[in-house]
Amino acid sequence: ETGVTQTPRHLVMGMTNKKSLKCEQHLGHNAMYWYKQSAKKPLELMFVYNFKEQTENNSVPSRFSPECPNSSHLFLHLHTLQPEDSALYLCASSQDSGGETQYFGPGTRLLVL
Amino acid sequence: QKEVEQDPGPLSVPEGAIVSLNCTYSNSAFQYFMWYRQYSRKGPELLMYTYSSGNKEDGRFTAQVDKSSKYISLFIRDSQPSDSATYLCAISTGRRALTFGSGTRLQVQP
Repeated sequence: ETGVTQTPRHLVMGMTNKKSLKCEQHLGHNAMYWYKQSAKKPLELMFVYNFKEQTENNSVPSRFSPECPNSSHLFLHLHTLQPEDSALYLCASSQDSGGETQYFGPGTRLLVL
Repeated sequence: QKEVEQDPGPLSVPEGAIVSLNCTYSNSAFQYFMWYRQYSRKGPELLMYTYSSGNKEDGRFTAQVDKSSKYISLFIRDSQPSDSATYLCAISTGRRALTFGSGTRLQVQP
């Protein structure tokens, strides 16, 4: 595997389900990000991790819970989501979190019913 | 005022045309400027990276930064149908994560 990988690529879940999104980067980077991309809206930065520590949380609802066990892996745990949470969730990584070039994964397309 | 403004388009051009994509920004502290290309249902991929002012060329693509006007541009020469995608500008001060524009959707007609 190379670059940034994300699983699953597609996910359909009910509002009462609990699921997790996984991201793995094979670039040796220290910073990882979660973004939400909704139709016809700009990328919304959700969380930033640098050396496994969360450095930014952009007022994301608590039904989204990130986890970064090491610099290569990032998870987004989902529970009791709403239909408006349906979107493309993108993971990215960079050398550090100070404006470095970010490399994106292919995204997980989430549909909440 | 948004930190980065980008016309969402869509922009439709015939094959072979020169395409000009633009962003304006408000914070004069921004120093790092990037362009990403995003195909439908895919993640964004880095296209061009520029530090400070000036031009940078890579094949058919040229990135231009005018810090005095707080204006950045991406030019695509001899556009191809395979260039059809959404183009996002991204900028940074170097102290925190990138700020993205909303993206311009480009359609190159064969």
